[in-house]
Amino acid sequence: DSGVTQTPKHLITATGQRVTLRCSPRSGDLSVYWYQQSLDQGLQFLIQYYNGEERAKGNILERFSAQQFPDLHSELNLSSLELGDSALYFCASSPPRLAGQETQYFGPGTRLLVL
Amino acid sequence: AQKVTQAQTEISVVEKEDVTLDCVYETRDTTYYLFWYKQPPSGELVFLIRRNSFDEQNEISGRYSWNFQKSTSSFNFTITASQVVDSAVYFCALSSNTGKLIFGQGTTLQVKP
Repeated sequence: DSGVTQTPKHLITATGQRVTLRCSPRSGDLSVYWYQQSLDQGLQFLIQYYNGEERAKGNILERFSAQQFPDLHSELNLSSLELGDSALYFCASSPPRLAGQETQYFGPGTRLLVL
Repeated sequence: AQKVTQAQTEISVVEKEDVTLDCVYETRDTTYYLFWYKQPPSGELVFLIRRNSFDEQNEISGRYSWNFQKSTSSFNFTITASQVVDSAVYFCALSSNTGKLIFGQGTTLQVKP
C-alpha cells in the first residue's frame, strides 16, 4: 500500500458525460501527478500540482482539467467523454524535494470505461 | 527530447531462471533520474528503485539487481531465481528537472512454475 488513495476504483459512463476522479496524496507529500495508461499510448503524464499550484503540464486534453485543494487532495475532471478516453488513470504523490529528485508513489488507479 | 525504450515486449521464463529486463534511455540533461516500477496483475504501480545520473553504482536488493551504465545509456534490471510472484509488467522511467516521469512501453514478464 503506497499511501495514495484514489476513488472511485471503477467508473463506467457514456460518451459525452463528465466524471471526476479523486486522489488523496500520502501524508506530507505536496506534489500530485496525474497519469493516463491506455493500450495504445502507454503511460502518459497529464499534469502536476505542487501545494495547490499547477507546476507542469503534459499531453492533457483541453476537455480535461485538474486542481489541487488546500487539504492537498486533487481532482481530475474529464468532460465530453469519448470512447478513446477509456483508460486507467493514476495519481501519484511525492515528498517536497527539488524537482526531478522526487520518487513518485502511485495510487491504485481509477479504471474508466466509456461506452 | 527524452525517451525510454524497453525493447523486450514480453519475456517468458521458468521459475528459478534468472532474467534481465533491458532499458535504454535518451536525454540531453546532465542530471536525471531513472526508475523501475512493477505493475502486477492487480494493476497498481509499485516503486522498485530510483537511480541518480551521477551515481553509477550498481544496486542489489534481495533477488533484484540493477546495472546502470551511462556509457551505453542503459539501466537494466535482473531478477535472480525468478518466482511466479514476479510475473508482472515492469516499467523503466526517466525524469529530469521537470519532475514528470517518461515511461517506457513496459516489459511483460511471465514466470511459469
